[in-house]
Amino acid sequence: DSGVTQTPKHLITATGQRVTLRCSPRSGDLSVYWYQQSLDQGLQFLIQYYNGEERAKGNILERFSAQQFPDLHSELNLSSLELGDSALYFCASSVAPSSAWGNTIYFGEGSWLTVV
Amino acid sequence: ELKVEQNPLFLSMQEGKNYTIYCNYSTTSDRLYWYRQDPGKSLESLFVLLSNGAVKQEGRLMASLDTKARLSTLHITAAVHDLSATYFCAVDINLYSGGGADGLTFGKGTHLIIQP
Repeated sequence: DSGVTQTPKHLITATGQRVTLRCSPRSGDLSVYWYQQSLDQGLQFLIQYYNGEERAKGNILERFSAQQFPDLHSELNLSSLELGDSALYFCASSVAPSSAWGNTIYFGEGSWLTVV
Repeated sequence: ELKVEQNPLFLSMQEGKNYTIYCNYSTTSDRLYWYRQDPGKSLESLFVLLSNGAVKQEGRLMASLDTKARLSTLHITAAVHDLSATYFCAVDINLYSGGGADGLTFGKGTHLIIQP
C-alpha cells in the first residue's frame, strides 16, 4: 500500500457526462500528480499541484481540470466525456515540489474509467 | 521534447536466467525512475537514480544509470516467476537544467513473463 488513496476505483459513464476523481496523497506529501494510462497512449502526465497551486501541466485536455484543496486532497474533473477518455487514471504524490527533485513518487491504485 | 524508449517491449524468459532491460532517453537527465506494474494494479516504485554511475540493487533487480550515454539498465539475476510484471522507466530533467515542468516521461514498458 503506497498510502495514496483514490476513489472511485471503477466507474462507468456515458459519453457527454462529467465525472470527478478524488485523490488523497500520502501523509506529509505536498505534491499531487495526475497520470492517464491507456493502451494506445501509455502513461501520460496530465497535471501537478504543489501545496494547492498548479505546478506543471502536461497533456491535459481542455475538457479536463483539476484542483488541490487546502487539506491537500485533489480532484480531477473530466467533462464532455468521449469514448477515447476510457483509461486508468492514476494519482501520485511526493514530498517534493517537482519530479525533477528526484524524490520517490508514490502512485495510488488508480481509477478505472469506462465511457460507453 | 523528451523521449524515452525501452527495449525490449516484450520478454519471455525462463526461471534462473539473467536478462537486462534497456531504457534510452533523448535529453540530458540524471533523474531516472524505475517502476513495476502488475496487471491492472498500481505502479510500485523500484529505484530512483540520481547521478551518473548510480547503481542500486534490491533482491534480484539491479538498476544503473549512465547519463553520458543517456541509458539506464534494469538487470534481472536468476529470474523467478514472481518477477513477472511490466517494468517502466521514467525520466525527468534535473531541476537545475530547467526540468520539473513536464512531469515524468514514461517509456512504453517492458512486459516480462518468467516461465518455470
